[in-house]
Parts: sequence; structure tokens; C-alpha cells
Amino acid sequence: EAGVAQSPRYKIIEKRQSVAFWCNPISGHATLYWYQQILGQGPKLLIQFQNNGVVDDSQLPKDRFSAERLKGVDSTLKIQPAKLEDSAVYLCASSLSRASYEQYFGPGTRLTVT
Amino acid sequence: GQQLNQSPQSMFIQEGEDVSMNCTSSSIFNTWLWYKQDPGEGPVLLIALYKAGELTSNGRLTAQFGTTRKDSFLNISASIPSDVGIYFCAGQPRFGNEKLTFGTGTRLTIIP
Repeated sequence: EAGVAQSPRYKIIEKRQSVAFWCNPISGHATLYWYQQILGQGPKLLIQFQNNGVVDDSQLPKDRFSAERLKGVDSTLKIQPAKLEDSAVYLCASSLSRASYEQYFGPGTRLTVT
Repeated sequence: GQQLNQSPQSMFIQEGEDVSMNCTSSSIFNTWLWYKQDPGEGPVLLIALYKAGELTSNGRLTAQFGTTRKDSFLNISASIPSDVGIYFCAGQPRFGNEKLTFGTGTRLTIIP
């Protein structure tokens, strides 16, 4: 079974530029999550989708971050404009459903904002 | 929000030693999960626990759901070099939304 795919793996941008990350969850997983992991910390949830609907985006900085999952499969996370403090690893995870707390993570995208 | 305290923050052990780490919360959790993260990779699910007192093994790893429902423990027996990495606990609180809360991690290093 293929795991969660993410791209790109690494991205370096200057502050105030925009960036987008892509995620393809495990086939059949209805729930998709985007996490931000700052160096030395555990992952922090940014947004949770159930199929193509948003379940929780309470910790998403909506003035600069946006995410979509239009067809209920793959998803994109965008940052516009980026700030220095956005430097982190952005992890995508998926689970079979909202009732399952067993989340499976992709390899992440390491973002460096200079 | 919820906070999970992991202990110890880091461990330096020799190959073959057993390892113990724990995760505590100030509130009750319904689910505990343990993940391992290697450098440059995403966390990998090791063990999931769903009932107070539950003891579950995955090879040399054993995890327990604390009876108070406010803590969980992970043990690794006879450590090997590939055990090196950061171990995260994660929990789903009894009250509140479905969101998983992650601990700050325990970094395991094996001394040659």
C-alpha cells in the first residue's frame, strides 16, 4: 500500500514570497491533515479535512495560509506572503475516517524562509 | 490548549540496553499513540492504545495506557542502532474536539 506522498521535499524562498505544498493521502483515507512542525517541537495541527470539507482550521493563520481539497483526495497548502517564522516542516497525514485516530504521515516538506 | 509532557527530553544509551519513556497530561485522554520520527522523515505510527490499562506490544516495543488515563509509557527492549530517533506521544483528549495533541518528543541516541 502506497503511503502519503508530499512534494516538494524542500523549498527555500524569500520572505513575502508565496509557496504551495501538495499532498496525496493513502488511497481510501477520507480524512486529511496538515501539520506544522517547528524544529524541536511536536507537530501542530493547522487544518483537518473530511473528504472535501474543513473539519477544523482553528489554528490556521488564515491571513496568510490557505488550504483546499477540492475533489476529496489530494490537497494543497499555500502560504502567501511567507514570513521568517513560517520556516518549519509541513507534514501531511491521513486517516481512514474522523473516527480513526491512527494518522499516517508523509515525509514532509522542509520550508526555509530567508 | 492541551499539553503533553514527555520525559526524558533526551536519552543516551548503549546498544542492548532497555529504554523507558513516558508522557503525561493534566487532563484525561481517550486515545494514546506513539510515533517515531527519523531525521528528514515524517512520524511513523508505532502503537495505538484505546483503553485504560491496555498493554500493547509491537516487536521489541511495549506501550501502556495509564490507569489514570492521564499518562502513557513506552518501553524498548534490547535497543539496536535503528532505534535512534525522536519518539513522540500523541493523545486525543476526552473532552474537546477530535484533534490530536503531540508531545515535545524524546530524542534517543545510542552511544557506540
